[in-house]
Amino acid sequence: GDSVTQTEGQVTVSESKSLIINCTYSATSIAYPNLFWYVRYPGEGLQLLLKVITAGQKGSSRGFEATYNKETTSFHLQKASVQESDSAVYYCALRSSSSFSKLVFGQGTSLSVVP
Amino acid sequence: GALVYQYPRRTICKSGTSMRMECQAVGFQATSVAWYRQSPQKTFELIALSTVNSAIKYEQNFTQEKFPISHPNLSFSSMTVLNAYLEDRGLYLCGARVGGGRAAETLYFGSGTRLTVL
Repeated sequence: GDSVTQTEGQVTVSESKSLIINCTYSATSIAYPNLFWYVRYPGEGLQLLLKVITAGQKGSSRGFEATYNKETTSFHLQKASVQESDSAVYYCALRSSSSFSKLVFGQGTSLSVVP
Repeated sequence: GALVYQYPRRTICKSGTSMRMECQAVGFQATSVAWYRQSPQKTFELIALSTVNSAIKYEQNFTQEKFPISHPNLSFSSMTVLNAYLEDRGLYLCGARVGGGRAAETLYFGSGTRLTVL
């Protein structure tokens, strides 16, 4: 089946430093799935951070960016300079069905940005 | 913008009892709603997909008998957890798909209902 694997557990980064959260996917039901990054801030639900529908393109939002790489089946999330307000849990996801927004999520990566 | 309200935010129920959670779309027509569960130490797992005027499709390991869903119109959906036990605890999220076209490629989620089972 379809699956998403991302950087495990908790990541701690100092404020103003760069961030990368790795995400790789395996899609068996569709050749080029749509790819997403969702974020969940403490006490809140999932929010869409960015999405890329077309292989080879880059998505960006709030200083975060991710490039859809079909050769390496990756969709790593990067930010050049993180802030404390970026502390949250980040989920990489793929949409495996062309007929419905069925999302398959990674296990989540908890980001803690420290002063 | 598209907003999804989900309530209650938190609920506690005794083992063997049932609880209902609701999902309200504001500012858009939720033609399809997906219900997810995040059990402790796990990622989000799809329970079922619901489209107005169509049969609800449940994922493997989830059944209508255990998680009946109602989706009567384009702004509201509810799901009940029947006979809840410890393994049902977790965060339940509803995600609504906006209309059609390219916008339909995105699910907008509510803040979730956290279920604790005693």
